[in-house]
Amino acid sequence: ETVMTQSPATLSVSPGERATLSCRASQSVGTRLAWYQQKPGQAPRLLMYDASTRATGIPARFSGSGSGTEFTLTISSLQSEDFAVYYCQQYAGWPPMYTFGQGTKLEIK
Amino acid sequence: QVQLVESGGGLVKPGGSLRLSCAASGFIFSGYYMSWIRQAPGKGLEWVSYISSSGDTIFYADSVKGRFTISRDNAKNSLYLQMDSLRAEDTAVYYCARENNIVFENWGQGSLVTVSS
Repeated sequence: ETVMTQSPATLSVSPGERATLSCRASQSVGTRLAWYQQKPGQAPRLLMYDASTRATGIPARFSGSGSGTEFTLTISSLQSEDFAVYYCQQYAGWPPMYTFGQGTKLEIK
Repeated sequence: QVQLVESGGGLVKPGGSLRLSCAASGFIFSGYYMSWIRQAPGKGLEWVSYISSSGDTIFYADSVKGRFTISRDNAKNSLYLQMDSLRAEDTAVYYCARENNIVFENWGQGSLVTVSS
């Protein structure tokens, strides 16, 4: 099983600043990585797939990068609605044994 | 627009059974792979099971293999999860999700399953 590790567990950033979230895979997943945003009491929302492709309707301030085992989600200028928990997820290999990271909570500084 | 609505959750005793349903609308259900994903209270996300568009290919996480059964009825635009031999550690919000490009593009609002005596 591919284990996904996210860091930091909690990130405190001021509105308008940049946030950088990290995700590491225990083995190479190529670019088969997605990012999701989850707000309290809501279902997760797909932000990014294939490591760097924004999902439909996702603002350009969200960007993703990386390949292999190291990935980054960057939010260039934080808006109030961006404070949430972010999960990475790998979908490499067959049969599908999708695994998620434990999440990074992005909170207001 | 895509809508996924789960139902069937509730309180069940350890060893008991429950069947979750997910009603889909706003897209051609028979053309998409579907999955169940769960989230224990205050915890992260765990993929549970996957079913192909026709229903002929199915996979499960090791944690539920042999106890849970995923199925779908394309004529009724519905996805199901039969959960047997439930354990306390199965307590979670269960989401159904539509896959697109092998990622979970759309999610339902979730259905809470609580396993407790």
